[in-house]
Amino acid sequence: NAGVTQTPKFQVLKTGQSMTLQCAQDMNHEYMSWYRQDPGMGLRLIHYSVGAGITDQGEVPNGYNVSRSTTEDFPLRLLSAAPSQTSVYFCASIGTGPNEQFFGPGTRLTVL
Amino acid sequence: DQQVKQNSPSLSVQEGRISILNCDYTNSMFDYFLWYKKYPAEGPTFLISISSIKDKNEDGRFTVFLNKSAKHLSLHIVPSQPGDSAVYFCAASVGGSNYKLTFGKGTLLTVNP
Repeated sequence: NAGVTQTPKFQVLKTGQSMTLQCAQDMNHEYMSWYRQDPGMGLRLIHYSVGAGITDQGEVPNGYNVSRSTTEDFPLRLLSAAPSQTSVYFCASIGTGPNEQFFGPGTRLTVL
Repeated sequence: DQQVKQNSPSLSVQEGRISILNCDYTNSMFDYFLWYKKYPAEGPTFLISISSIKDKNEDGRFTVFLNKSAKHLSLHIVPSQPGDSAVYFCAASVGGSNYKLTFGKGTLLTVNP
């Protein structure tokens, strides 16, 4: 049982490049979310999903796309990277119980 | 407009003493509150939560208190241990939608041996 896995751990991009941050969970949770954390800030919600095929925008969705073709995977796509997207990205998997909140280890992204 | 506020960026306590971390919120629609602990280079780890129908929830050394009229909650850690040194985030949700959390900026707790 690996919990929530995220790849890559680190990534450096040039402005304008695109990439996909991977997130996978093996707990059969319906709910998954993406957050970003910037220095001195709390986590801010980018996108979330309440089940396969269902996604919605969070607080800071601009510049990001998501899809949820399977229960296990919830990739986050950066369409055209900008320096403002330099951040640490966390994926979360949430179950139905009150204590079922699990975050991945994060992806540290730098956009030059 | 910050809906969840942690006004103390840092807190330092002695091992064995009580740590009290505070959190205020402005959105009266929030009805579920969570605390997370985060070590450097790791993802947040869920610690404890409380529903708005309660005013206290306890789990071992950790107790969360909720004062709805003041829109204030606090996390008490007793006794504090050096391993508790981490950043603590307060988060809130509406209708128990814990996949759509609003986070505070966090408080860095340092427990000195």
